[in-house]
Amino acid sequence: NAGVTQTPKFQVLKTGQSMTLQCAQDMNHNSMYWYRQDPGMGLRLIYYSASEGTTDKGEVPNGYNVSRLNKREFSLRLESAAPSQTSVYFCASSDGLRDTDTQYFGPGTRLTVL
Amino acid sequence: AQRVTQPEKLLSVFKGAPVELKCNYSYSGSPELFWYVQYSRQRLQLLLRHISRESIKGFTADLNKGETSFHLKKPFAQEEDSAMYYCAPNYGGSQGNLIFGKGTKLSVKP
Repeated sequence: NAGVTQTPKFQVLKTGQSMTLQCAQDMNHNSMYWYRQDPGMGLRLIYYSASEGTTDKGEVPNGYNVSRLNKREFSLRLESAAPSQTSVYFCASSDGLRDTDTQYFGPGTRLTVL
Repeated sequence: AQRVTQPEKLLSVFKGAPVELKCNYSYSGSPELFWYVQYSRQRLQLLLRHISRESIKGFTADLNKGETSFHLKKPFAQEEDSAMYYCAPNYGGSQGNLIFGKGTKLSVKP
């Protein structure tokens, strides 16, 4: 099992460019999440998907869109990148059935917006 | 708002010394509590969760509902414990999502 995979690992964008971060999990999990990690800020939830076909905003959704393509895949799109979106992005998944469920994380995507 | 506080950004101890990483959460019902860890160049992973009452890699965490704390402890720190540690309550409800603290970087010196 690969667990949670993310592509790309690194990306440099210019202000205004768009891109999509891809995430896939092979654990048959119901819930998937996108976080951003910034120095001194911890992890902040951008969007999540409790189940296939549903998505909801997290703490910091502005400037992002998501798509739950199927049960395995959850993508994050930046329509017009801004320097404030320079961050490390993590995708995670969980069973999503209980509050005690463990979240499993991907390796992260390091994004720089110039 | 539901919050979690990790007061120390950096905690530096010598090998063999006891270590305690503090975590306080805002009272809002009875959240499930987790500690996640991120070792250098590795992905974030679960260290332990309160419901399991387990000890992982020598770490334990005690829930104190009166103080709304869930501090992580280890009696004898090892160099391989150096990592970033995040406390994360799950308040459940309609979102049921984790709220991550800002993290504490633990550095264990030889």
